[in-house]
Amino acid sequence: GDSVTQTEGLVTLTEGLPVMLNCTYQTIYSNPFLFWYVQHLNESPRLLLKSFTDNKRTEHQGFHATLHKSSSSFHLQKSSAQLSDSALYYCALSDRAGGYKVVFGSGTRLLVSP
Amino acid sequence: AQTIHQWPVAEIKAVGSPLSLGCTIKGKSSPNLYWYWQATGGTLQQLFYSITVGQVESVVQLNLSASRPKDDQFILSTEKLLLSHSGFYLCAWRLPGQGNTEVFFGKGTRLTVV
Repeated sequence: GDSVTQTEGLVTLTEGLPVMLNCTYQTIYSNPFLFWYVQHLNESPRLLLKSFTDNKRTEHQGFHATLHKSSSSFHLQKSSAQLSDSALYYCALSDRAGGYKVVFGSGTRLLVSP
Repeated sequence: AQTIHQWPVAEIKAVGSPLSLGCTIKGKSSPNLYWYWQATGGTLQQLFYSITVGQVESVVQLNLSASRPKDDQFILSTEKLLLSHSGFYLCAWRLPGQGNTEVFFGKGTRLTVV
């Protein structure tokens, strides 16, 4: 079946250092759509960025990710972490053709310290 | 504009008591609807989804049930709460037939079972 793997449960960083959160996926879909959601404390998850185009960088709010179908990856990156980036990040997958199914990864908690 | 409203915002309930959580989505017809759960400090777990009125599919068994009595309404319930039901419950919706659209989450209900 379809799955999304986020290998790190917790990432701790010092402010100013680069961020990289890993996301790999397995799917039968030939045209998968990948998403990153962010959930701050006591809030609901909200979309951070999304992509379905192979090898094209997608950016939003200082974060960026590139879908690589060859390696089934969609890693989230940021050049310089800020304290306000501390949150829970989810990678998710759906079929570009539509349907009800959206598969979320287990999430990575990012803690940024001064 | 589409809006999603969840109620109640928070609940404190006794073990063994019944529970009913609700969600309404306005502004879109026939959305895909979802219930998610997060244990405190935990990650998203999909409980149910529904693609049409009267049809609900269970993803995991947690002694909970869900119903979709109207196109814009999704209800989560149980007759007997367990301590393990405590957590954050999120209702979400998504446009059907378009894989590139995101899942939109409600503000959630925080449930404490004592």
